Formats: sequence, C-alpha cells, structure tokens
Amino acid sequence: EVQLVESGGDFIQPGGSLRLSCAASGFTFSSYAMSWVRQAPGMGLERVSGISDNGGSTYYADSVKGRFTISRDSPKNTLYLQMNSLRVEDTAVYYCAKEGGRRAPGYYYFGSWGQGTLVTVSS
Amino acid sequence: DIQMTQSPSTLSASVGDRVTITCRASQTISSWLAWYQQKPGKAPKLLIYQASNLESGVPSRFSGSGSGTEFTLTISSLQPDDFATYYCQQYNSYPTFGGGTKVEIK
Repeated sequence: EVQLVESGGDFIQPGGSLRLSCAASGFTFSSYAMSWVRQAPGMGLERVSGISDNGGSTYYADSVKGRFTISRDSPKNTLYLQMNSLRVEDTAVYYCAKEGGRRAPGYYYFGSWGQGTLVTVSS
Repeated sequence: DIQMTQSPSTLSASVGDRVTITCRASQTISSWLAWYQQKPGKAPKLLIYQASNLESGVPSRFSGSGSGTEFTLTISSLQPDDFATYYCQQYNSYPTFGGGTKVEIK
C-alpha cells in the first residue's frame, strides 16, 4: 500500500524558511515523479513543484519560482521542499503527491496523496 | 498556464439524484484530464484519469466524459458518501486544477 507522510509544517514569520519532508513507502520511490500540491484555507489546489523520477528535472509554479526548491533522496525514500522568503500567501496545507500516469515529463495526474502538513506564515 | 473552470461552484442534491459537474479548459487539452474527490480535512482522492478512465476501486456510479475543452463528471445515483468537493485537473501541460464544485445535501 502506498503511504506518503509529510512533516515539517509550522507557524513562521514572513521572510522565514522552512523545509518540508515526505516519507514514502509501499512503492519503488525512484521510479515515480513526485510533486508538492498546496491548498490555502478554504481554497482550491495548486501544484507548486514537481520533480522527475531521477531528480534530474524540476518544475515550479510562477508563484514560488526562485523561492522554493524541490529535491529527493531516493535511498531514504524521501521528498523535500525547501521554502525560503516565505510570504503570508504561502499559508496552506502542503500535500506530497505521487505521479499516477503521465502525458509527458512533468505533466501528470496524482495517483496518491499524503495527509498534508500545515504551513502558516504570519507576523 | 491553462485555466480550468468548473461549474457550478456549489450543487445541492438529494440521495439518489443524478449529478453532473462541468469542467472547461481555456485551451484544448485532448483527454488529459483527471477528477478528484475531497472531503473536509482530507487529501484529494483520484476518481478518474484521462477523462473517462475509472481509477481502481472507485464505484461505477462515477463516470467521466469529454475531450478538447469541455468535460463532465457524472454521479449516476448520489450516495451519502458522495457529498464532498470535486476538482478537475488538466495535465496536458503544467498541471492546473479547477476551482472545485461542492456537492451538498439538499
């Protein structure tokens, strides 16, 4: 059974940094692209970042480009999201999501999701 | 980015009703569309991919159709467990989601 467990969410002031982690199990982690998808309170879904199965390609939403960095450690079966220069508008639940099937590299639907971790950015 | 527009934003229905949700893309996406169900405080759950393919384990009362720019999700006979918010998502290019349709009890 696929399991994705996020951690690292916290309450942080604007301008601060945070690193989220996602521990994966139940599948061959190194064979799947992964993403971070966020949901602001009461709002819809936004994929903020994606990474290819081998980590060689990364993708970012314009809203986080230059501030967030996605990475993966395949021996540890863990996905990361380094978030710098955090803004109030980054407040959201951040979900780790596994590629379900793809149309092209970076362009896929999400077959499995973690339970999410809450990031609150406020002064 | 491709913009996805869902309608209606809220839908009131009763158990047993046939329910249809529409999703429109700002440009053609062929059949590269997925549908998700989300309940309060929970992660989204994949229902349908490539516009009309039912994910394993999803009840057959859910179905999807469409191609190009217009898509529909249909629940043939609404069940108590189906009251939730539904999202479409395109993956023809950088993935983007619709704004969601909340299905509530009438």
